[in-house]
Order: sequence, then C-alpha cells, then structure tokens
Amino acid sequence: RKEVEQDPGPFNVPEGATVAFNCTYSNSASQSFFWYRQDCRKEPKLLMSVYSSGNEDGRFTAQLNRASQYISLLIRDSKLSDSATYLCVPARYDKIIFGKGTRLHILP
Amino acid sequence: GAVVSQHPSWVICKSGTSVKIECRSLDFQATTMFWYRQFPKQSLMLMATSNEGSKATYEQGVEKDKFLINHASLTLSTLTVTSAHPEDSSFYICSGVVGTVHDNEQFFGPGTRLTVL
Repeated sequence: RKEVEQDPGPFNVPEGATVAFNCTYSNSASQSFFWYRQDCRKEPKLLMSVYSSGNEDGRFTAQLNRASQYISLLIRDSKLSDSATYLCVPARYDKIIFGKGTRLHILP
Repeated sequence: GAVVSQHPSWVICKSGTSVKIECRSLDFQATTMFWYRQFPKQSLMLMATSNEGSKATYEQGVEKDKFLINHASLTLSTLTVTSAHPEDSSFYICSGVVGTVHDNEQFFGPGTRLTVL
C-alpha cells in the first residue's frame, strides 16, 4: 500500500479562487509531513512543514487530521504562479519518497 | 535557502557512453545527498542515498553497477550513468541535507536532463 494517496487532478481553478487538496496516509505512526510544489521540468521546492495539527504561511494553510489520517493544503486567493504539482510527503528520518502529487492549473 | 548546483544542466550523448553528473552544495556541508530520477509525467523516484565517505545505499530496482555514485566530500557527489542507453534518458535531480530529512530541509539541485540517442 502506498504511503500517501493524492488525487492526481488536474484541478482547474480560476484565478482568485480558493482550492484545497487532501492527502491520505496509511501509516498511523507518521508524525509530520511536508508539502512540496514542483513546477514542470524543475526541482521540487519545500512549501511547508507540518509538525503538529497544522501550519499557515500567507495564503497557504495545511491541516493535519490524525484521527482520519489525512493532511490538507488550502490555497486562498490563488495566483497564476500557483500552477504546479503539489506533493504531500511523510517526514521520515532517512529519506524522502515522493508520490505523483496533485496537479493544479490556475486559469486566468 | 541553501544552494545546490548540478552540472551539466543538460547533456546529450550517444548510446553506450558514460555520463557523469556533479552535484555540489555551495554554501553548506551536506552530510547526506540523494539522487532522484524523473521520467515525463511520472513521480520523482529516489535512486540512492549517499553519505560522505561511505558506499551509497541504492533503492530496490536501481542497478548499482550502472549508476555509480561517489560522495567524495561533504560538498560534492557524482552520479555516473555507465553505458547509457535511450531508456536512461530522464531528468536526474540531486539533493543535500544537513542531518536528517525529518528535521532539516532538503535542498534540491536544478536537475540534469539526460538524453541518450
């Protein structure tokens, strides 16, 4: 079973809208997570670390629901530059394993 | 954030040749470096984990004799694709971290696009 499951999308969202992704995880022992974004043909970039119930950074809010084993990412007032693939990654001590993520297209 | 460079950024080679890709941490000493590969529309796949001065740990299914990793110093790791074939054409990305990836940010290089003819 995969460590995380994400809707691959694509999510096509008009500029200015709010969009949310969910990521479910299988290992109930997972304590913390990362959200990365990856642009086409580029390296992934860390968007946010989530070590407790959630984290907020500007327009981005991540929430961790341990009871239901999912982590969400909310993007408010979406910009064209938010178009990317968003990757939910459980934090491990030895390595980072990426899934396919969720593709987001912000439409003008 | 910290900077990781890769060289070359792209390379085209003939089938059967070997290609070396360098990964350098420019402003920090990476205790661990990772090598990933990404095919078009696929996820970033971890190939191996490399610690300075020791042998790399390869992920299942990755041929260690084909993908040679040398981690000569805390700022340099190299990946050599030996006897490259068209199926090795891919986007290769390295990353470095100080300490564990659980508690510290992993910094990625910009990637190397390899095309084998």
